[in-house]
Amino acid sequence: GNSVTQMEGPVTLSEEAFLTINCTYTATGYPSLFWYVQYPGEGLQLLLKATKADDKGSNKGFEATYRKETTSFHLEKGSVQVSDSAVYFCALKGTGGFKTIFGAGTRLFVKA
Amino acid sequence: EAGVVQSPRYKIIEKKQPVAFWCNPISGHNTLYWYLQNLGQGPELLIRYENEEAVDDSQLPKDRFSAERLKGVDSTLKIQPAELGDSAVYLCASSSGTSEDTQYFGPGTRLTVL
Repeated sequence: GNSVTQMEGPVTLSEEAFLTINCTYTATGYPSLFWYVQYPGEGLQLLLKATKADDKGSNKGFEATYRKETTSFHLEKGSVQVSDSAVYFCALKGTGGFKTIFGAGTRLFVKA
Repeated sequence: EAGVVQSPRYKIIEKKQPVAFWCNPISGHNTLYWYLQNLGQGPELLIRYENEEAVDDSQLPKDRFSAERLKGVDSTLKIQPAELGDSAVYLCASSSGTSEDTQYFGPGTRLTVL
C-alpha cells in the first residue's frame, strides 16, 4: 500500500540556517504530494503541494520538488525563522482518491 | 471566515466511560473527515463523510467507535466504552467536495483515558 517516510526529529536550527526535511514515498501510479505544518496548539495547515512529477510547490519561503525518479518530496527553506518552529508532515494522496496518507511528522525548533 | 471548530479541546475520562467529540466544518464544505493522531505520529483516517453519508469507514473500530452527521453539517464521534489505548488527539477536517480540494483541519480534541 501507499506510505510516506520522513526524517525523524527533532531538528534544531539557528535562525537564518538552511532547512531540509527529507520525505520519501511509496505509491502506485501518480499520487499528489503535500507538506502540512502544525503550529503549537493549532490544527494542521496545508503548506504546499505538487500534483505531478517535476512540479515545485512553494509557499512562505518553503519549497519542495516532486521527484518521481527518487520518489522524494524534500522540504527546503533557505533561511528559517523562530516562527517556523512547528511540526511538519509530508503526505500523499492517490490519483482521484480522497484518502491522505501522512508521515510521522518532523518537529523543527528554531533558536534565536 | 470561521475555520473548523471542535469541542471540547481537552477531555480526561476514566476507562470504560463513554466520550463524544463534536465538529463543525467550514460552511459549505460537503466532505468531513475524522482522524486519529497518536503521539509522535501523523493523522490516520477514521471516517469520511460526503454530506450525511459515511463513504469510507473502513478504519473505524466499529465495536466501540461510532460517528454521525445527521444533517450533513456538524458531526459527532463517540467512543463507548473508552480504553486506555484510545488516548490520542482526534482531528476533524473538511473540504469542499472533490478529491483535489484542500482539507482544512480543526485544532483537535486531546483525549486522555485514565
